[in-house]
Amino acid sequence: QITLKESGPTLVKPTQTLTLTCTFSGFSVSTSGVGVGWIRQPPGKALEWLALIYWDDAKRYRPSLKSRLTITKDTSKNQVVLTLTDMDPVDTATYYCAHILYNSGFDYWGQGTLVTVSS
Amino acid sequence: DILMTQSPLSLPVTPGEPASISCRSSQSLLHNNGYYCLDWYLQKPGQSPQLLIYLGSLRASGVPDRFSGSGSGTEFTLNISRVEAEDVGVYYCMQALQNPTFGQGTKVEIK
Repeated sequence: QITLKESGPTLVKPTQTLTLTCTFSGFSVSTSGVGVGWIRQPPGKALEWLALIYWDDAKRYRPSLKSRLTITKDTSKNQVVLTLTDMDPVDTATYYCAHILYNSGFDYWGQGTLVTVSS
Repeated sequence: DILMTQSPLSLPVTPGEPASISCRSSQSLLHNNGYYCLDWYLQKPGQSPQLLIYLGSLRASGVPDRFSGSGSGTEFTLNISRVEAEDVGVYYCMQALQNPTFGQGTKVEIK
């Protein structure tokens, strides 16, 4: 059974760095074809893909946020970490992590964590 | 970026009746493996998104067979053969040929 759960601060100040952790079970991020992605959703708005890391440590980032994003994995801890620097109120959103196998869609999602950016 | 455009943005439906949502991409989503890199997701109220269809037409595990995906090139459709009350929510298409991008979402509600 695959499960994922996001954790991190619920409130950050403008210009601060956001660090979110996705802790998962039921799969290994070192298994061929496996990836973990981050997707966010501003309140009342559409989904927005942010980043993706694969079993072979290949990484992909949303082009418009690439300079601010970093995604890493810790295979031994079953965790994937996303950092987003220079936070702004427009980054207020629910942040989700999700599992993907090759190109077969994000098939398992975490419950999401709401991050508010405010001074 | 590949731009994804969904229509309609709002879809009132009648239980038992069919429904369809369209998704258009700004360029072809055909992968060199012969599949179309287009997924469909449903986000029910207050829940995380769930995968319905991947690679254009393949139903995800546990998805009822009233859901089907079709299309080619830049034009794709999600069909619901007979809508049920539990199908309400926002439907998103997402392309995965390049860095993933989502459509704006289509809100499905019961008439």
